[in-house]
Amino acid sequence: GAGVSQSPSNKVTEKGKDVELRCDPISGHTALYWYRQSLGQGLEFLIYFQGNSAPDKSGLPSDRFSAERTGGSVSTLTIQRTQQEDSAVYLCASSPRDRENSNEQFFGPGTRLTVL
Amino acid sequence: AQTVTQSQPEMSVQEAETVTLSCTYDTSESDYYLFWYKQPPSRQMILVIRQEAYKQQNATENRFSVNFQKAAKSFSLKISDSQLGDAAMYFCAYRRGAYGNKLVFGAGTILRVKS
Repeated sequence: GAGVSQSPSNKVTEKGKDVELRCDPISGHTALYWYRQSLGQGLEFLIYFQGNSAPDKSGLPSDRFSAERTGGSVSTLTIQRTQQEDSAVYLCASSPRDRENSNEQFFGPGTRLTVL
Repeated sequence: AQTVTQSQPEMSVQEAETVTLSCTYDTSESDYYLFWYKQPPSRQMILVIRQEAYKQQNATENRFSVNFQKAAKSFSLKISDSQLGDAAMYFCAYRRGAYGNKLVFGAGTILRVKS
């Protein structure tokens, strides 16, 4: 079956512009996560969705970052007034409720954002 | 807050030999999971192996096995019979037990495999 997909694969933008990153989770996965991976670094958590609500948005670095999820499926991460420090790979993951398999998170290929 | 530490930024191994990647973590929780993920240059994160904290037996998946030392909060990954395709960045990750909790990642270890 299809995995998690993300678009665009790469995005180059100018400082100060807004960008939208999209994530299509695996069908039926109710949990969706966004992570950020800065160059040569580990992943840092941004936000978690359960259905359309976000019970944990503690990782969003500033109010320039927001995310939404509609229909319990597609999610969009929006970064307003982008800064150079926003340059990173943004990874999305989804998870079914499946304790037997440790509620595994399945990752998409990421969007590489470059802010000039 | 939980933290995960990978103290080896880079490791090398000869093809067909064995290598061990180190990971330590800090938590006060009793119910948690530990994971090793592989990230090749394609950026696709691939789950290599998982360990549930309440299970004393070390997890094994083919050539990959872990040494889980709960009291020491250590979770190392052993790769046996290393192959060229094992070359990648490896991340150790922690997740508090319940469904929906975030993964907390270490900084990663780059593994190079020499032919």
